[in-house]
Amino acid sequence: RKEVEQDPGPFNVPEGATVAFNCTYSNSASQSFFWYRQDCRKEPKLLMSVYSSGNEDGRFTAQLNRASQYISLLIRDSKLSDSATYLCVVNINGGFKTIFGAGTRLFVKA
Amino acid sequence: EPEVTQTPSHQVTQMGQEVILRCVPISNHLYFYWYRQILGQKVEFLVSFYNNEISEKSEIFDDQFSVERPDGSNFTLKIRSTKLEDSAMYFCASSERVGLSSGNTIYFGEGSWLTVV
Repeated sequence: RKEVEQDPGPFNVPEGATVAFNCTYSNSASQSFFWYRQDCRKEPKLLMSVYSSGNEDGRFTAQLNRASQYISLLIRDSKLSDSATYLCVVNINGGFKTIFGAGTRLFVKA
Repeated sequence: EPEVTQTPSHQVTQMGQEVILRCVPISNHLYFYWYRQILGQKVEFLVSFYNNEISEKSEIFDDQFSVERPDGSNFTLKIRSTKLEDSAMYFCASSERVGLSSGNTIYFGEGSWLTVV
């Protein structure tokens, strides 16, 4: 089983749509969880941290279920600029080792 | 915003040659990382470095790879004898505190694209 697994997509949605991405992780000792965004041939950039209580940043909402080892990202009112690959990221081993999922590709169309 | 800088942005090398990729982390950061991303594949952790020694390394980071902080500002990744499968984007990253945790962010450089021919 992959350490971090994501639906590769692509997700093709119209502007204004709500879209949800899922991610599962296999290592129960995983300590911290994040969503990163990566534009084509660019470096990953932190989108948001994921907390057990769930957290929101504008149009983005992240959820974590430790019991199910599951992380989600919800994007509301999609914009064209949201088109990117969304990476689920898990931190283990006291923080020194970071595992990236393969990413979910999102295309938002006018 | 402070940034991690990497050089070169693109390097083409012949198989078997040594390559050194250079990085200047953000100045007050203490933790440094190298990742790689083969075209079309996921970002893969290679190594983390703190206090002038390797803190963690992945299975990918074998004896062909080494890292060094030769002075107070640079952080380098050396690949001793490149193979075709080393062709990838190599990202350097740094953070103020260890790894990813609440309030701590790993900042990535723009990457060095290595092509082995």
